[in-house]
Amino acid sequence: AQSVTQLDSQVPVFEEAPVELRCNYSSSVSVYLFWYVQYPNQGLQLLLKYLSGSTLVKGINGFEAEFNKSQTSFHLRKPSVHISDTAEYFCAVSSYKLIFGSGTRLLVRP
Amino acid sequence: DAGVIQSPRHEVTEMGQEVTLRCKPISGHNSLFWYRQTMMRGLELLIYFNNNVPIDDSGMPEDRFSAKMPNASFSTLKIQPSEPRDSAVYFCASNPPGQGCNFGPGTRLTVL
Repeated sequence: AQSVTQLDSQVPVFEEAPVELRCNYSSSVSVYLFWYVQYPNQGLQLLLKYLSGSTLVKGINGFEAEFNKSQTSFHLRKPSVHISDTAEYFCAVSSYKLIFGSGTRLLVRP
Repeated sequence: DAGVIQSPRHEVTEMGQEVTLRCKPISGHNSLFWYRQTMMRGLELLIYFNNNVPIDDSGMPEDRFSAKMPNASFSTLKIQPSEPRDSAVYFCASNPPGQGCNFGPGTRLTVL
């Protein structure tokens, strides 16, 4: 069975500060890993994905994530956030279907 | 590329009525998923189709829920009869093999 744990339900941060959203996964087989963003009243948009190869993955909007197999983590980072980054962020693991974490609400304050 | 298309975007109905949600996946994507999002349960996978065939429907809540995919460009999720606890946002998603899903905008269902 696969599962995803997002350790923080909400992360408040000031504009232009760095941020890290944490994600840990559990799986008995090789998986693909994803981060999605959901803006209010909208669908989910793919931020980035790890399928294989380099463990540092760069995505849209300046986000990046690092796959750490030994720690079974896939934390999302951004060096400087904007007000417009305020949204819900979901980590997901996939073999053939996506299993989502509970989400982390990023709240960027001016 | 129009992305995944869902209709209606909003649906308000009364308890006991039949509800049909529709989805058009991205052309060429051979996998289609229906997800439900609620505050209490987050994002739940309801059913997964591959090449129009239901592969995993273990997430379908109960017999009131049914899903079909008659061809590669169309899928429906039906709830009959609907209940207030079915109120949620229902997402359809599609993907090519081994890639992340492309999600539709969702249908916000309210059952009174």
